[in-house]
Amino acid sequence: GALVYQYPRRTICKSGTSMRMECQAVGFQATSVAWYRQSPQKTFELIALSTVNSAIKYEQNFTQEKFPISHPNLSFSSMTVLNAYLEDRGLYLCGARRDGGQLYFGEGSKLTVL
Amino acid sequence: QQKVQQSPESLIVPEGGMASLNCTFSDRNSQYFWWYRQHSGEGPKALMSIFSNGDKKEGRFTAHLNKASLHVSLHIKDSQPSDSALYFCAAPDTNAYKVIFGKGTHLHVLP
Repeated sequence: GALVYQYPRRTICKSGTSMRMECQAVGFQATSVAWYRQSPQKTFELIALSTVNSAIKYEQNFTQEKFPISHPNLSFSSMTVLNAYLEDRGLYLCGARRDGGQLYFGEGSKLTVL
Repeated sequence: QQKVQQSPESLIVPEGGMASLNCTFSDRNSQYFWWYRQHSGEGPKALMSIFSNGDKKEGRFTAHLNKASLHVSLHIKDSQPSDSALYFCAAPDTNAYKVIFGKGTHLHVLP
């Protein structure tokens, strides 16, 4: 079956430092990978969408300079939160899809900023 | 842009009862919809997808889609305490690559 592994599950970092998270699709080829942030209130914000053969598209309020993403092949993606501050805390979710199919999520990477 | 709204925000049902969760969407051209369930401390897990008007049943879960009224619902029969979770409805955005989520319904099943 389709699975998405995401790691690390939790990170506590000091204000101004960075956190990198990775996402691995297993059992299918992820033609698109979406990175979301789930706020403490549980709402989803789409950070960026990476689709094979297209440039990574960032949503308003999110930039490549702050959230650089790498999507080198159809099974792996990574995202870094640079210079993390309190407002960046939340659960970061990687969602992978194959050709418009269902979105499969990893377990999320929870970021706590001290 | 697709808008997805869920109701109620919170739902309490007794064990063995029926839980009904609602979702409306705005894009009449939407072709498919998903329900996700998220337990505390975990990522969302895909529960069901539905593409055609009418009912789709998987065990105790039944999804209902009415494209004309822009409405999709999820019904959980014989609710169990383990069903207590946050449930999200999702639909593709107009460009089909983005997936738009509702704000979720907190379901509490009381033993």
